[in-house]
Amino acid sequence: ETGVTQSPTHLIKTRGQQVTLRCSSQSGHNTVSWYQQALGQGPQFIFQYYREEENGRGNFPPRFSGLQFPNYSSELNVNALELDDSALYLCASSLAVGRVTDTQYFGPGTRLTVL
Amino acid sequence: GDSVTQMEGPVTLSEEACLTINCTYTATGYPSLFWYVQYPGEGLQLLLKATKADDKGSNKGFEATYRKETTSFHLEKGSVQVSDSAVYFCALSAGGKLIFGQGTELSVKP
Repeated sequence: ETGVTQSPTHLIKTRGQQVTLRCSSQSGHNTVSWYQQALGQGPQFIFQYYREEENGRGNFPPRFSGLQFPNYSSELNVNALELDDSALYLCASSLAVGRVTDTQYFGPGTRLTVL
Repeated sequence: GDSVTQMEGPVTLSEEACLTINCTYTATGYPSLFWYVQYPGEGLQLLLKATKADDKGSNKGFEATYRKETTSFHLEKGSVQVSDSAVYFCALSAGGKLIFGQGTELSVKP
């Protein structure tokens, strides 16, 4: 059974640029959630995708957007990068039944640095 | 709104010492509760979970009991090892999203 994978591992961008992060969910899972973890903090919920539709969103601006594909993999896109976007971005997959999600399993994360 | 509060770290213990990391929560309804562990440079690993009051989650010698009356989910281990050094996060599930505490760093010395 393959776990949650994310790419790339590390990324360096400059302010104002755009970035796309990718996540492959664990086999058998249909839901992907994205979290932002600033240094020394707990992860903060960005949004969740269930069967290719957004299924909840945290307190993040619209320049944070996402997609989920038919194979349940997902992308997180961030436009107009700001210095405060520097963080570890974590993807978690889970199995949801009727939009009610079970335990979430995390990938290793993508470390984004914005200069 | 829903929230999780953990005891502040860092916590430094000697090998074979007892560990307790306090976690309390505020939530509407009856959320599932989790402990995740994060080793340096890695993502989060599920350590244990409990889905209803009085449930006890356990894994790798760690335990936590879902206490509705005190809204707590304290993490305990009877004898820690150097390999347990990591950051521990308490979390609750609310409407499909996880709400995390700020994390407690544990350092175990030989």
